[in-house]
Amino acid sequence: DAGVIQSPRHEVTEMGQEVTLRCKPISGHNSLFWYRQTMMRGLELLIYFNNNVPIDDSGMPEDRFSAKMPNASFSTLKIQPSEPRDSAVYFCASNPSGTGINEQFFGPGTRLTVL
Amino acid sequence: GENVEQHPSTLSVQEGDSAVIKCTYSDSASNYFPWYKQELGKRPQLIIDIRSNVGEKKDQRIAVTLNKTAKHFSLHITETQPEDSAVYFCAATHNSGGSNYKLTFGKGTLLTVNP
Repeated sequence: DAGVIQSPRHEVTEMGQEVTLRCKPISGHNSLFWYRQTMMRGLELLIYFNNNVPIDDSGMPEDRFSAKMPNASFSTLKIQPSEPRDSAVYFCASNPSGTGINEQFFGPGTRLTVL
Repeated sequence: GENVEQHPSTLSVQEGDSAVIKCTYSDSASNYFPWYKQELGKRPQLIIDIRSNVGEKKDQRIAVTLNKTAKHFSLHITETQPEDSAVYFCAATHNSGGSNYKLTFGKGTLLTVNP
């Protein structure tokens, strides 16, 4: 099993640029979560999907952030325009909801730096 | 929504000593409490979890206790080893059968085990 795959692993961009983070969940997992991790705020849930449908996006900071899941094997988190305060590690996690397996399996994360 | 408080934020122990990390939660409906370990530069990984119908659970050197009345739960690590050094996160959620749930994480505890 390849685990959750995220790309890119590192992203450095300038303020105002568009940033797209990508995630491939574990095959067969039907729940997908996007988290943001910073020293100040810890691990924050941004949005999660179940069966490709957004269930709760209350953690999305503002309209500059958007997420999509066009199919069961791919999701994107987009920031447009990016700001320095968006610098963080963004994790994607997946889970086979409804199976009794509660663990959320995290990807390696994308370290985003906005200059 | 759920609010999870975690203490202490940092903990330093000598190898072989025990370590205890405590969390409180606010939502009395929460019924699932996992603990994740995150080594430096790595992804969070589940190490142990407990459901609200159980008061204590052990797995080798780690154990978790839950007090539903007081709404707090704790992680206990005995005979600590240098490889236990990491950030530990507690979390809480209301999990109705493993589908469509989100975790609320504590801010994390940086555990350092000194040789």
